[in-house]
Amino acid sequence: GAVVSQHPSWVICKSGTSVKIECRSLDFQATTMFWYRQFPKQSLMLMATSNEGSKATYEQGVEKDKFLINHASLTLSTLTVTSAHPEDSSFYICSLVPGTGDNEQFFGPGTRLTVL
Amino acid sequence: GDSVTQMEGPVTLSEEAFLTINCTYTATGYPSLFWYVQYPGEGLQLLLKATKADDKGSNKGFEATYRKETTSFHLEKGSVQVSDSAVYFCALSPGNTGKLIFGQGTTLQVKP
Repeated sequence: GAVVSQHPSWVICKSGTSVKIECRSLDFQATTMFWYRQFPKQSLMLMATSNEGSKATYEQGVEKDKFLINHASLTLSTLTVTSAHPEDSSFYICSLVPGTGDNEQFFGPGTRLTVL
Repeated sequence: GDSVTQMEGPVTLSEEAFLTINCTYTATGYPSLFWYVQYPGEGLQLLLKATKADDKGSNKGFEATYRKETTSFHLEKGSVQVSDSAVYFCALSPGNTGKLIFGQGTTLQVKP
């Protein structure tokens, strides 16, 4: 149980375009969702947290107008990188917390974004 | 602010060798501590956790003890297998925020 999927697994886009990444829970409902960013050989950095029924809370230094997060439903969260630039190239990972249990986070496999 | 520091990798061991991956942390208050494992092509999975000082987390032969006096949570396994090859992340969660702060990850490669 507790399977999380991300789509796409990798994407290449031109500078200036927008890219949407989906994160889905396949077998549970998630009340809290997190988005992380990971640079090569570095740790995961939390970008934002979203709870059911409320807007996402962004970490310091993360531009909310650039990284749009939509907690669309209890099984789907999307991250849209707007007007992407090469410096946005990174590995984006979501995690979901079920509504029941001990608040364990379940992670997606990640999406590799490359902006040319 | 809160932070986690892991030993540099990659770590390369022969099968059945003893494993230690060091992890130290800086935090105010009393965080929970975690080890996550990421196998190739998969998402991070919780390996073990400890929520208070002197707690020992264990799973799949791996162990780690929450040492408040040394602010450490070192991961150990007595005899590694090739299937343990993965990236291991140490993390802390401050208070009841639910947020995770990760170390940079340590790649383990086990050779037959």
